[in-house]
Amino acid sequence: DPKIIQKPKYLVAVTGSEKILICEQYLGHNAMYWYRQSAKKPLEFMFSYSYQKLMDNQTASSRFQPQSSKKNHLDLQITALKPDDSATYFCASSPGTSQDTQYFGPGTRLLVL
Amino acid sequence: QQQVRQSPQSLTVWEGETAILNCSYEDSTFDYFPWYHQFPGESPALLIAIRPVSNKKEDGRFTIFFNKREKKFSLHIADSQPGDSATYFCAASPYNQGKLIFGQGTKLSIKP
Repeated sequence: DPKIIQKPKYLVAVTGSEKILICEQYLGHNAMYWYRQSAKKPLEFMFSYSYQKLMDNQTASSRFQPQSSKKNHLDLQITALKPDDSATYFCASSPGTSQDTQYFGPGTRLLVL
Repeated sequence: QQQVRQSPQSLTVWEGETAILNCSYEDSTFDYFPWYHQFPGESPALLIAIRPVSNKKEDGRFTIFFNKREKKFSLHIADSQPGDSATYFCAASPYNQGKLIFGQGTKLSIKP
């Protein structure tokens, strides 16, 4: 059974719309992260959460908002979508934030037209 | 500056040879250095990692060499196999933080 679930696997959106990317982990981890991968920037850190609290935000735009409704959930809301937002978004988790191994989910591939 | 530089961008070696991938950094707060590999269509997965208390870490055919003074670290893949063909990312993490700063990646191809 997959330990980190990301939904949907593929997502096509129109410019200006809003989407929510879902991430759930069943590894019992306390820290969760979002990364983005595109042709321009291979693997880029976006956010880190620990015990449902925001620890670090490297995303300049407020259009990206993480949401943690449960300890093992970290969704990513993206508003006013732009074609430049097209990328694969990976959720990851680790036991803690002290440089433990991070396990990556399968990713959500977003295409903004 | 929280940046990790990785080279080469692509590398082709013959099966059985040793592949060498290189990374460097500037930020002295970095103190955890993992290597991830990623196969096409899949997510990144941890391969091996090192902390600055050591200058070498081995795991089977994979070895990290770490030079703290020069702020450089490298991944050596001995006896390369076609199944090792993938994109390899080095990364670094600042002290007591979870975020990983990734290099640009090296696309490794092993010729049989």
